[in-house]
Amino acid sequence: KNQVEQSPQSLIILEGKNCTLQCNYTVSPFSNLRWYKQDTGRGPVSLTIMTFSENTKSNGRYTATLDADTKQSSLHITASQLSDSASYICVVSRRVNNNAGNMLTFGGGTRLMVKP
Amino acid sequence: DVKVTQSSRYLVKRTGEKVFLECVQDMDHENMFWYRQDPGLGLRLIYFSYDVKMKEKGDIPEGYSVSREKKERFSLILESASTNQTSMYLCASRTQGLGQPQHFGDGTRLSIL
Repeated sequence: KNQVEQSPQSLIILEGKNCTLQCNYTVSPFSNLRWYKQDTGRGPVSLTIMTFSENTKSNGRYTATLDADTKQSSLHITASQLSDSASYICVVSRRVNNNAGNMLTFGGGTRLMVKP
Repeated sequence: DVKVTQSSRYLVKRTGEKVFLECVQDMDHENMFWYRQDPGLGLRLIYFSYDVKMKEKGDIPEGYSVSREKKERFSLILESASTNQTSMYLCASRTQGLGQPQHFGDGTRLSIL
């Protein structure tokens, strides 16, 4: 069964601290993995995409890693800011033989709160 | 920037009503999607459309239908609303091509009383 599990479900950190969010998946055949940030009351926005051959990718203070062998990804946030408070959703894409070309499986998200 | 606009941020309807949720995108994207988002369950795909007048069922299509008469507009229809359809509904669009991201609207929070 195609599944994406994220941990922790929620996390509270102090402003300026680092944190790491985890994503484990069983999706197959794997196409890519994307991290989205969803602010309260808004739609998700893509942060970064990881393909099979990529191990690490950075987008400002966000660094994503991918281990395709163990089917794990992480999102590391450095020097957190109050504006990082949001839900972070791991989404894995798999190839399918339909008109969409690929289908997405969403994790349940990690709700991060950054406190001053 | 891509803009995906959902017609209502909040909507309250009664059981048995026919409900229309509208979504418009301004980037000429071929693919459009409707999801519902519930706490602890993540986003679940209801329907998607890969072209005008084309539609395919997602993971949870029961109780819903869709319409795509124009490329920029994708409508979700609740034929006879029920309380278990109370949820956050998100529309997304995407251009064709491997690895292209989906761009989401800000959602419609629908309550069925």
